[in-house]
Amino acid sequence: DTEVTQTPKHLVMGMTNKKSLKCEQHMGHRAMYWYKQKAKKPPELMFVYSYEKLSINESVPSRFSPECPNSSLLNLHLHALQPEDSALYLCASSQLVGQGLYGYTFGSGTRLTVV
Amino acid sequence: SQKIEQNSEALNIQEGKTATLTCNYTNYSPAYLQWYRQDPGRGPVFLLLIRENEKEKRKERLKVTFDTTLKQSLFHITASQPADSATYLCAREGGSQGNLIFGKGTKLSVKP
Repeated sequence: DTEVTQTPKHLVMGMTNKKSLKCEQHMGHRAMYWYKQKAKKPPELMFVYSYEKLSINESVPSRFSPECPNSSLLNLHLHALQPEDSALYLCASSQLVGQGLYGYTFGSGTRLTVV
Repeated sequence: SQKIEQNSEALNIQEGKTATLTCNYTNYSPAYLQWYRQDPGRGPVFLLLIRENEKEKRKERLKVTFDTTLKQSLFHITASQPADSATYLCAREGGSQGNLIFGKGTKLSVKP
């Protein structure tokens, strides 16, 4: 299995809702990432997990809460989002943090719309 | 500040021609650079990685070069096809913490 699977593919949520994005990989990668991508912009890093521990939080607002239950799963919990948080949310993995010699594997993303 | 730049937002070429995309970096020396392809609404797909001590790397119709004097990587697609139309992103790792930093990307359009 050489894929990163993200669910759901699309999500529309109100500003008072709580939802979660899910990401799964079975490549044995020990580094997992959340990126946010706005239209016509490159992906921007939000969080890095290394061996299931949070190693980087790029000053992301607390309405985004990551969780890494095990080495294969990564969640992003969403609460009280703003319309400007609407974007494509990408999950990625690599063998180890800071060692992307084989590239990073990205999921197809979750298209999030906050209304 | 350390920058990675793709100065061409868009590139339009005719089918069968070679597409050449440019990635420049300033104020640092990356050990390697990565190239990704991204289709609309999808995640980036890793294509090639080139190390600073490699002049050139090839994969099928793709070729990447790394010029440490010019601080530049070039990405070539030979015999381009309409299916090659996509946004191509150059990326570097920000350090041992694994922050993959992307250039703004170049949108390639190959016309039949």
